[in-house]
Amino acid sequence: DAEITQSPRHKITETGRQVTLACHQTWNHNNMFWYRQDLGHGLRLIHYSYGVQDTNKGEVSDGYSVSRSNTEDLPLTLESAASSQTSVYFCASSERVSTEAFFGQGTRLTVV
Amino acid sequence: GDSVTQMEGPVTLSEEAFLTINCTYTATGYPSLFWYVQYPGEGLQLLLKATKADDKGSNKGFEATYRKETTSFHLEKGSVQVSDSAVYFCALSDNTDKLIFGTGTRLQVFP
Repeated sequence: DAEITQSPRHKITETGRQVTLACHQTWNHNNMFWYRQDLGHGLRLIHYSYGVQDTNKGEVSDGYSVSRSNTEDLPLTLESAASSQTSVYFCASSERVSTEAFFGQGTRLTVV
Repeated sequence: GDSVTQMEGPVTLSEEAFLTINCTYTATGYPSLFWYVQYPGEGLQLLLKATKADDKGSNKGFEATYRKETTSFHLEKGSVQVSDSAVYFCALSDNTDKLIFGTGTRLQVFP
């Protein structure tokens, strides 16, 4: 069965370190998205991609970057982790959002 | 920009009670509307959707109708179960294929 997986599921890192969260999907979807989930804010879009070599900034992109070198993967990098980036991160993919977006199980990141 | 507003929770109900979770949206075009559900410890999954005005989405006993005149997409269920306890997110997608979410509403159902 096709799926979307995130790793790691939990991560603790120190302020200032570079961190990369992995997202891998086997749906062969063109669209991929990264969201962060915080209490009182719901899900906010960080970055998204419509295909290989395409990346776009979302509403909360400062301090984050992504790259899309193949269809299956969209890693999210925190260039220099800050305590404000402690959150739960979700990756999603879709063929078209008007059909259905599929979400990973999330990565809980704690920056200390 | 486009946005989604949904009622704050938590919503606490007894089993078999009627559920309504309010959702309104602001959009410049004609978005598609969604309800996603997040069970404890899991990612989000699509519950139902509607792609044009007056469409009714339904799944697992939940329903929502796309009301363009009131810019609303309220979620309803006639008789909730303990297993419905989760966080419910209203969302829209604009013509750029991005999903924009509300803040989520936690539902707790007690036996």
